[in-house]
Amino acid sequence: GQQVMQIPQYQHVQEGEDFTTYCNSSTTLSNIQWYKQRPGGHPVFLIQLVKSGEVKKQKRLTFQFGEAKKNSSLHITATQTTDVGTYFCAGQNNDMRFGAGTRLTVKP
Amino acid sequence: DAGVIQSPRHEVTEMGQEVTLRCKPISGHDYLFWYRQTMMRGLELLIYFNNNVPIDDSGMPEDRFSAKMPNASFSTLKIQPSEPRDSAVYFCASSFALSRGGLNEQFFGPGTRLTVL
Repeated sequence: GQQVMQIPQYQHVQEGEDFTTYCNSSTTLSNIQWYKQRPGGHPVFLIQLVKSGEVKKQKRLTFQFGEAKKNSSLHITATQTTDVGTYFCAGQNNDMRFGAGTRLTVKP
Repeated sequence: DAGVIQSPRHEVTEMGQEVTLRCKPISGHDYLFWYRQTMMRGLELLIYFNNNVPIDDSGMPEDRFSAKMPNASFSTLKIQPSEPRDSAVYFCASSFALSRGGLNEQFFGPGTRLTVL
């Protein structure tokens, strides 16, 4: 069945450094969604990518969908302490599967 | 809309007891998902419904777990009997199908933190 792998599992950065998390699917996806979960909170939708090679930006966050629609990345430029949390990708084909998430911690 | 509503927010019970978790999805959403989250296993999809019908329950751990959706505005996840390894945060989420195919974003409830002693 469809599997969604996400790396790294953890990332600790100094405030101001960049951060990237990667998502890879074993099958071609129709779309991919990204979510953020703050400590003690619930996952909250960030964005959905649908088109091959699509790139979307939200302020310091850049989301990419691979040409083959099997991988995606989320890049945060100049991290801030408010970026702390776990970032999940969720790949959709016949159903939707979440990656394991990347937990980001930011040292002030 | 108040968003996805889950109850209780916290549940502490003893091993062997029955536990029932409740979820009210967002009105108009025709998909409902139950997830379990632990440090060790991350976010796991347990089961999801479309128009109140269970579509995929392959993530349900074992026969001790059951889920129902008697109508469009209510779902339950029941664990009977509960065991300490069931301790986790259980999330309910709802969504709706897009006209171009696929699902819209999932809206998660605040979760139920279950502790089984």
